[in-house]
Amino acid sequence: GAGVSQSPSNKVTEKGKDVELRCDPISGHTALYWYRQSLGQGLEFLIYFQGNSAPDKSGLPSDRFSAERTGGSVSTLTIQRTQQEDSAVYLCASSLGWAMNTEAFFGQGTRLTVV
Amino acid sequence: AQKVTQAQTEISVVEKEDVTLDCVYETRDTTYYLFWYKQPPSGELVFLIRRNSFDEQNEISGRYSWNFQKSTSSFNFTITASQVVDSAVYFCALSKSNTGNQFYFGTGTSLTVIP
Repeated sequence: GAGVSQSPSNKVTEKGKDVELRCDPISGHTALYWYRQSLGQGLEFLIYFQGNSAPDKSGLPSDRFSAERTGGSVSTLTIQRTQQEDSAVYLCASSLGWAMNTEAFFGQGTRLTVV
Repeated sequence: AQKVTQAQTEISVVEKEDVTLDCVYETRDTTYYLFWYKQPPSGELVFLIRRNSFDEQNEISGRYSWNFQKSTSSFNFTITASQVVDSAVYFCALSKSNTGNQFYFGTGTSLTVIP
């Protein structure tokens, strides 16, 4: 597609349930990022994928969070046993290469509400 | 450690006024990139500008201008003759050189342009 696509756009889930958030990056982009934006807050880095390299998971807040990227393209962020504090907008971005010299293109995000 | 500070949380201006959004960064890297992104109410972050650490030349693009000063570690963004469509949250970000695996975002400045 023309841009980064995320699905679903909105997700309401009950506390304790697992959720999966999907990101389709721009075709050809080797770098993919997940960020979390809580209400009125900045962007919190979660995880970064670059080609076939091991992902940088340093931003994942707990072991309930995991992400994978299949075939170097689509990525799925999974949150297990969701908690209310997980409620936020989850943003995915992709870029052509190293973030240093290429801008990242963002999707419109998935708004997750845990009730 | 890398850090980006946007001290202005919210700014309101009347249409046609000029407004400057401040960004101060911290990094020990000699090579890095600075970015500004706009996040309109739709939620998708839109890339505005990229500047590398070796290029301190100010840049103007229409009503937008950027003032990069390494001496004060600042990368300020000015909107001239503001318009209602400029209302958005603006994020400043830093990308480091050694691994290039993530952006460091400020907490954002919410700009409201009053007609």
